[in-house]
Formats: sequence, C-alpha cells, structure tokens
Amino acid sequence: GAVVSQHPSRVICKSGTSVKIECRSLDFQATTMFWYRQFPKKSLMLMATSNEGSKATYEQGVEKDKFLINHASLTLSTLTVTSAHPEDSSFYICSASGGAREQFFGPGTRLTVL
Amino acid sequence: GENVEQHPSTLSVQEGDSAVIKCTYSDSASNYFPWYKQELGKRPQLIIDIRSNVGEKKDQRIAVTLNKTAKHFSLHITETQPEDSAVYFCAASRGSNYQLIWGAGTKLIIKP
Repeated sequence: GAVVSQHPSRVICKSGTSVKIECRSLDFQATTMFWYRQFPKKSLMLMATSNEGSKATYEQGVEKDKFLINHASLTLSTLTVTSAHPEDSSFYICSASGGAREQFFGPGTRLTVL
Repeated sequence: GENVEQHPSTLSVQEGDSAVIKCTYSDSASNYFPWYKQELGKRPQLIIDIRSNVGEKKDQRIAVTLNKTAKHFSLHITETQPEDSAVYFCAASRGSNYQLIWGAGTKLIIKP
C-alpha cells in the first residue's frame, strides 16, 4: 500500500521559534497533500490543501502567514509553524493523495511549544 | 459548506455483538464517504469507503450503507473483537481536490 512518512514525530520548542514538519510520499506521487491539526480526543481539522507547484489553499480561520506550506515536489510537502506559541501545541498530521479519492496519512507530529 | 455529524460519540458493546455508527451530511453534492479507524496516538487508517452510486458495500465483518435521499451513511461492524476498539471517523468528500470533511468521531469500546 501507499506509504506516507512524516518527520519529526515529536518536537519540543521554545516560544517564538519556528518549526518545520516534513511530509513525504514514499512510493507514489502525491498530486495533493493535506495538512490537519488534531486536538486531544477531537476530530481532524483540515488546515490547508496543497497541490504540487502551486500555492496552498487555506481553510477559513487558518493564518497562512503563521502556517507556511510548501509543496515543492510530488513527494514532499512541508509545514512551517512560524513564531510558535503554546497555543500552537497540537498533533499535526499530513495526508497525501495520488489523484484517487483515498488519502494516505502520515504518522503525525506532536508539537509542544514551551 | 459541508457539515458532517456523527453519532454516538461513545459506543460500548459486548465482544461478539454488532456495532453501528451513524453519520449525516448536509451537502447533497458530496459523493465519497470513507470511514477511518484511529488507534490512540496513531494515524487514521481507511477501513472502508463508499461512493454515491452504491447503496451498500461489505468487506468481511465491516459494511457501510448509504442513503442519499436522507443524506446519511452508517458503519456496521459484526462479531466485534477487542482489536476493534478505537476511534472511528466518518467523512464526506467535497471539491475537486477531494477534501474530506470529518465527523467528530466515535470511541468504540469492546467489552470482553
């Protein structure tokens, strides 16, 4: 099956620093990648949708200058949380689609901002 | 926009019994409905999906039914086993990018 990796799996940073999370499709070309945020015991909240080579489409209420998304190739998308604050602490999950309906998920990144 | 409601939020069933989780959606244009299983701290895994041109789909102990007129779809798990314990999410697809709108999730507990 399709495999999606995500790094790092866990990151702790100080308030005010930026954190980059990578999402890679290992055995297929991901024409579309999605970034989600998940709070404890809650559902997945779609943050943005990115297509390779074009700007990401952000969901309402998600600050694009705060959460920078780059989808430079068909196998890599990155999410950078800029000037992170404690309220940005969360579980961030990416998913990738190769053009079909099914989304394949990465293992997630737990971000803790001190 | 699309809104997906999921019930119940928690479901506890005896091992061997059946479990049913229900979802409703608001956008009649939605045409793809996947179900994901998420174990604690892990990634969501697709367990079954259905498209709007089909009313029912079955895969071993798991089945999904879709009622387009009523705009609701359900997940059925028969002969439940301890490893079925997890959080289950329904979703509906909208847009050409296949964005998923998610239900709130159901925590399924299988009692031994």
